[in-house]
Amino acid sequence: AQSVSQHNHHVILSEAASLELGCNYSYGGTVNLFWYVQYPGQHLQLLLKYFSGDPLVKGIKGFEAEFIKSKFSFNLRKPSVQWSDTAEYFCAVNELSGSARQLTFGSGTQLTVLP
Amino acid sequence: DVKVTQSSRYLVKRTGEKVFLECVQDMDHENMFWYRQDPGLGLRLIYFSYDVKMKEKGDIPEGYSVSREKKERFSLILESASTNQTSMYLCASQTRGGGDTEAFFGQGTRLTVV
Repeated sequence: AQSVSQHNHHVILSEAASLELGCNYSYGGTVNLFWYVQYPGQHLQLLLKYFSGDPLVKGIKGFEAEFIKSKFSFNLRKPSVQWSDTAEYFCAVNELSGSARQLTFGSGTQLTVLP
Repeated sequence: DVKVTQSSRYLVKRTGEKVFLECVQDMDHENMFWYRQDPGLGLRLIYFSYDVKMKEKGDIPEGYSVSREKKERFSLILESASTNQTSMYLCASQTRGGGDTEAFFGQGTRLTVV
């Protein structure tokens, strides 16, 4: 079974600092990759996604992520964080084999941005 | 707008009760998922379904079962609720085909077993 690792459990940054959150997955086949965000008290929403093509994908609110196939990684980045980015961030992987497409999430990274 | 609706926002049940959590989606999605979300553990997949009457175990299926009799509805059943099943339960749906296959989530059901 595939697994997804997010190594940073809690990240604390000051406003305007740069952000990079790590995500690694274990599945060796074709995958779709996602980052979801959960703001306090709200439900999960999509931040960005990678299906194919350019490995550098841009999402909402200035976030981007880079898919490095050789490293099985899909790290999330933002050049300058804002207080409103305080949230929990989840990396997710869809393995693309057969009819059943398991969607597996990492354990999440809580980001706190200090004003 | 895709809508994934979970029948209850909050539930309190007693140990040993049979509990049903319902999820309905309105986008004709083939795939549906049930997760539980616990602090520090992220989202853990309980069961998923890729078609009517089809189901697959996820990473933590013990103590749970599911039912998918209609495409739009995916039910999670706790056969005999226990206190360690106190958690936030999230339902998601996703189209199976190529192209845009992001998953859409419901608002969650916070279940407390006492």
